[in-house]
Amino acid sequence: AAGVIQSPRHLIKEKRETATLKCYPIPRHDTVYWYQQGPGQDPQFLISFYEKMQSDKGSIPDRFSAQQFSDYHSELNMSSLELGDSALYFCASSPGGGTGINGYTFGSGTRLTVV
Amino acid sequence: AQKVTQAQTEISVVEKEDVTLDCVYETRDTTYYLFWYKQPPSGELVFLIRRNSFDEQNEISGRYSWNFQKSTSSFNFTITASQVVDSAVYFCALSEERGNKLTFGTGTQLKVEL
Repeated sequence: AAGVIQSPRHLIKEKRETATLKCYPIPRHDTVYWYQQGPGQDPQFLISFYEKMQSDKGSIPDRFSAQQFSDYHSELNMSSLELGDSALYFCASSPGGGTGINGYTFGSGTRLTVV
Repeated sequence: AQKVTQAQTEISVVEKEDVTLDCVYETRDTTYYLFWYKQPPSGELVFLIRRNSFDEQNEISGRYSWNFQKSTSSFNFTITASQVVDSAVYFCALSEERGNKLTFGTGTQLKVEL
């Protein structure tokens, strides 16, 4: 079965650079979520999209932006990178706009290292 | 606001021992969903179980079992006859019906040694 695809798997950037993470949800999943997991931390919710509209927002820095495209894939854009942005970034998708009812499927994550 | 507490930061057991991972949650909603995820050293989040707030029936899946008690707001996870491959970080998480995000606990690092 198709899973949530995240690219790239690993990314190394220098401080103040820009990074773009991509997420391709499971076919027919219309909702995408982004999470950030720092070293030794639990995943923290950043932002979500339902039917290409932002549906919820968490602790996402102003330097970050995200969008969902017409094919439902999503991109997380991160600018002016800081050392503290080094983390594992997860994308998850679900059908029908709700997590609990329909469950989540997580991608394998993108490991971002800022040097 | 929703909150998940996993008081056990790290647990070490010897293979074949049983181990229980605790999870306590807080929510104002009457409808909510509880999850357990496993995160092995490779980093991916592996879904283990989802339980809604109206289903307090305990569940068993192989060596895994879950005990959901609304009276104590707990959703504990037991691994029977642990194996080295069970070594991972285990996260309990909560989703409220009206929201669409998961709130994770801080995780429990389980180490199973020979």
